[in-house]
Amino acid sequence: RKEVEQDPGPFNVPEGATVAFNCTYSNSASQSFFWYRQDCRKEPKLLMSVYSSGNEDGRFTAQLNRASQYISLLIRDSKLSDSATYLCVVNRGGYNKLIFGAGTRLAVHP
Amino acid sequence: GAGVSQSPSNKVTEKGKDVELRCDPISGHTALYWYRQSLGQGLEFLIYFQGNSAPDKSGLPSDRFSAERTGGSVSTLTIQRTQQEDSAVYLCASSPAGNQPQHFGDGTRLSIL
Repeated sequence: RKEVEQDPGPFNVPEGATVAFNCTYSNSASQSFFWYRQDCRKEPKLLMSVYSSGNEDGRFTAQLNRASQYISLLIRDSKLSDSATYLCVVNRGGYNKLIFGAGTRLAVHP
Repeated sequence: GAGVSQSPSNKVTEKGKDVELRCDPISGHTALYWYRQSLGQGLEFLIYFQGNSAPDKSGLPSDRFSAERTGGSVSTLTIQRTQQEDSAVYLCASSPAGNQPQHFGDGTRLSIL
């Protein structure tokens, strides 16, 4: 079993739709959680950190459930520019060792 | 300001050859990481440097892989006797310290014929 699991998608949604991605992690020692975005043939870029209380950044909302070892990302009012692969990432260890999920691909169409 | 710089951008080589990939981190970043990403897969951690030392080499897939970092700055990842399964994008990231967000370079796309 992979340490970080995501639904690979693709999620095909129209502009304006709300879409949710889920992620589970297996190591209860994981300490920090992130969502990264990766465009085709580009490097990953940090989208947002995920805090225990849940956090929001504009149209993006991230949630963490430590008991269930589950992380989610909600995107409201999808834009064409949101089309990308969204990587669920956990930080395990005393330093910033990131474990990446395989990613969920999102395609937003007109 | 300059981001993480990797070279070459692309490398095509024959099976059995050695390759050297270079990463120039953001100035002042003490932590440096190497990952690789195969087609359609997530990123796979290879090695972590703090300064010039590598406290975690656990992700290096075989003894054909090695990495060094000198002067607390530039790092090179060397793959000896390349195999076709080494074909992937090799990504380097750096951060100001071991618990700060990582900034990625554009990667080196390695193709082994």
